[in-house]
Amino acid sequence: GQNIDQPTEMTATEGAIVQINCTYQTSGFNGLFWYQQHAGEAPTFLSYNVLDGLEEKGRFSSFLSRSKGYSYLLLKELQMKDSASYLCAALDSNYQLIWGAGTKLIIKP
Amino acid sequence: DVKVTQSSRYLVKRTGEKVFLECVQDMDHENMFWYRQDPGLGLRLIYFSYDVKMKEKGDIPEGYSVSREKKERFSLILESASTNQTSMYLCASSGGTSVTDTQYFGPGTRLTVL
Repeated sequence: GQNIDQPTEMTATEGAIVQINCTYQTSGFNGLFWYQQHAGEAPTFLSYNVLDGLEEKGRFSSFLSRSKGYSYLLLKELQMKDSASYLCAALDSNYQLIWGAGTKLIIKP
Repeated sequence: DVKVTQSSRYLVKRTGEKVFLECVQDMDHENMFWYRQDPGLGLRLIYFSYDVKMKEKGDIPEGYSVSREKKERFSLILESASTNQTSMYLCASSGGTSVTDTQYFGPGTRLTVL
């Protein structure tokens, strides 16, 4: 079956760095998305990786290893507003998005 | 900016009622999706549509139907609401010809069925 695994919850300190991991098992693979979702709000797009390696966008970076079925989202210089859930989703061979349950990130001052 | 709107943020209905959830996007997107989101579970696809009057079943279509009469509007219908359909419902759209196009989400409708 198809499956996405990511930690349920993580805690980090304001100003620090945090890495949120995601492993996936899908029938074929056409890329991996990361979304941010604040409580009570809609998910918003953060990044898309289809090739191996690291993509950097300001304080956020996303990494992909296709051979390992693994991705991570790296958040630097954490701010209180980064407290949110982070959703990992993989695009399978039918171009359907398979979603993880999300990682709730709690930022402490 | 892409804008996806949903008809209600919060809705309370009774078991057996017919429920309509409306979604409208203003970016001329081809593709529209309906998901439900429950605690501890990932987003689960109910139905999607790649064109007007076209619809495809997602992972959990049972108990739901959809309608896409106009490109910008995608409706989700619960024919006879049940308590296990209490959930957050999210609509999304994506455009262009690339299947990897980003999905843009509406604010969600939190439906409670009593």
